[in-house]
Amino acid sequence: GQQVMQIPQYQHVQEGEDFTTYCNSSTTLSNIQWYKQRPGGHPVFLIQLVKSGEVKKQKRLTFQFGEAKKNSSLHITATQTTDVGTYFCAGPQGGSEKLVFGKGTKLTVNP
Amino acid sequence: DAGITQSPRYKITETGRQVTLMCHQTWSHSYMFWYRQDLGHGLRLIYYSAAADITDKGEVPDGYVVSRSKTENFPLTLESATRSQTSVYFCAVTPPSNNEQFFGPGTRLTVL
Repeated sequence: GQQVMQIPQYQHVQEGEDFTTYCNSSTTLSNIQWYKQRPGGHPVFLIQLVKSGEVKKQKRLTFQFGEAKKNSSLHITATQTTDVGTYFCAGPQGGSEKLVFGKGTKLTVNP
Repeated sequence: DAGITQSPRYKITETGRQVTLMCHQTWSHSYMFWYRQDLGHGLRLIYYSAAADITDKGEVPDGYVVSRSKTENFPLTLESATRSQTSVYFCAVTPPSNNEQFFGPGTRLTVL
């Protein structure tokens, strides 16, 4: 079945360093979504990318969708302690409303 | 998000007992989902529902039962709880305009 893989599984950085997580799908995606889950919290939607090669920015966060629409990345510039959490990517399963989630990248930031 | 509530937030039960986790949305969105989250597995879909009285299995449905008699509610029942069902359970809904998902606060279930 459809798989969404994320790397790395864990990332520990010093505050101020950059961070990137990568997402790869076994199938072409119509769109890809990113979620953030703070420790002890629930996943919260960050953004959706739809177009091939799309790049979107949210302050220090940059999201990219690959040309083939099978991979994506999230880059955080100059991490802050507020960036701590687990970042998930997710893609729709076929043409359904169901999402297949990656296993997430857990980011810890040392102040 | 404020429009989705889950109850209870924490539950400890024993092997073999029946447990029902509740999910309620204040909107009337059609699609609702149940996930479990375990270390190393991320979010795995248990069941989902496209509308009242329409439900379907997800990736890990064994040992779970769902119903949806009302659009706003989507209860998840563990008919005979097992230790392997110890997990954090999240309910989510999708608004009709797009397929982003809004998650409830979660229920932490421990089966002893």
